[in-house]
Amino acid sequence: KAGVTQTPRYLIKTRGQQVTLSCSPISGHRSVSWYQQTPGQGLQFLFEYFSETQRNKGNFPGRFSGRQFSNSRSEMNVSTLELGDSALYLCASSLDPGLKTQYFGPGTRLLVL
Amino acid sequence: KNEVEQSPQNLTAQEGEFITINCSYSVGISALHWLQQHPGGGIVSLFMLSSGKKKHGRLIATINIQEKHSSLHITASHPRDSAVYICAVKGTSGSRLTFGEGTQLTVNP
Repeated sequence: KAGVTQTPRYLIKTRGQQVTLSCSPISGHRSVSWYQQTPGQGLQFLFEYFSETQRNKGNFPGRFSGRQFSNSRSEMNVSTLELGDSALYLCASSLDPGLKTQYFGPGTRLLVL
Repeated sequence: KNEVEQSPQNLTAQEGEFITINCSYSVGISALHWLQQHPGGGIVSLFMLSSGKKKHGRLIATINIQEKHSSLHITASHPRDSAVYICAVKGTSGSRLTFGEGTQLTVNP
């Protein structure tokens, strides 16, 4: 099976712009979680989707949003980008939100100038 | 105080040494993950534990639910084991993970 894929892998934006990141889970996986990794804060949970519904949301401002499609692919959107949004954005998929291993994608590295 | 604490933050070892990385947590969990992150960012899930002990090759992970503590052991360490090892706990509902700060392991030949 193909692993979790994320596009794009690298992205440069300027302050004030918006960005959309995409995550395709492993075939058959219906749960997708998003994480942000920065040198200062480490890895932090953004949100979790299962069957097109957001189940959990981390402590991030409303500029961060996401959605999941019927084929389980997920997108996250960050509007009005700030310099502090520069980070590695990782998504992970699992069969369901239960006790199943999460498989991580390679991440999208976002640089905000 | 962070909900998930790892020690040590940095660890340097010689090839062949036995390595232990510790993780303590302060919240109720349904499972604990040990993750490995290589330079460039890719994360691999090594273990998911909810009790006892798991072994995969040279890697062993243990968890003590009563003491809220887990350890990751690497036997006969090798330079290719050099990476950041991250402990993450899964809460009692959903897939949300809370992460430790990671342990940077460097194994010298």
